Amino acid sequence: QKEVEQNSGPLSVPEGAIASLNCTYSDRGSQSFFWYRQYSGKSPELIMFIYSNGDKEDGRFTAQLNKASQYVSLLIRDSQPSDSATYLCAVHSGGGADGLTFGKGTHLIIQP
Amino acid sequence: DAGVIQSPRHEVTEMGQEVTLRCKPISGHDYLFWYRQTMMRGLELLIYFNNNVPIDDSGMPEDRFSAKMPNASFSTLKIQPSEPRDSAVYFCASSFREARSPLHFGNGTRLTVT
Repeated sequence: QKEVEQNSGPLSVPEGAIASLNCTYSDRGSQSFFWYRQYSGKSPELIMFIYSNGDKEDGRFTAQLNKASQYVSLLIRDSQPSDSATYLCAVHSGGGADGLTFGKGTHLIIQP
Repeated sequence: DAGVIQSPRHEVTEMGQEVTLRCKPISGHDYLFWYRQTMMRGLELLIYFNNNVPIDDSGMPEDRFSAKMPNASFSTLKIQPSEPRDSAVYFCASSFREARSPLHFGNGTRLTVT
């Protein structure tokens, strides 16, 4: 069974600091990795995606992928109170299975 | 682009009643997914379609659940009969061409079965 694991939190980070969110996955054949942000009562929205080992930066967000360790992370620099949300890690395993498998999410709180 | 449109936004029904959830994907997207979200289980994939054809329904919890996609712009998820444990937020999402493309989610339907 394909699993995606995240620490549920809450993760509390002071405003302006770096927030680090982590995710591990069980299927070594996984090919695509996504981070979604979900505000309370809202739908998930895409923040970042990454396909290759290494880092990918987009503004204040950096996604990091280590396929050997089956580990994905999301760094948020200069954290803002508006970043307070639940962050969902999602993995696409490929091999004919087209749906994304989601972790349960990490609840991030940015303290002003 | 209007995004993925779901209706209704909220549904409250009594146990045993039939519930129908509706979804209009983004025009041009050829993959459509139905997910269910609960606190306990997170986001679970129920079923997905490619070019209106159901590809994988292994996530559908039981025979009380059924889904259809009669054309490229409309899909339904039906629960008959509904039970209290079906209470959750149901999301429809669509994506373009490659299944590994990011999903675009609708606003969801919050279902409460009493």
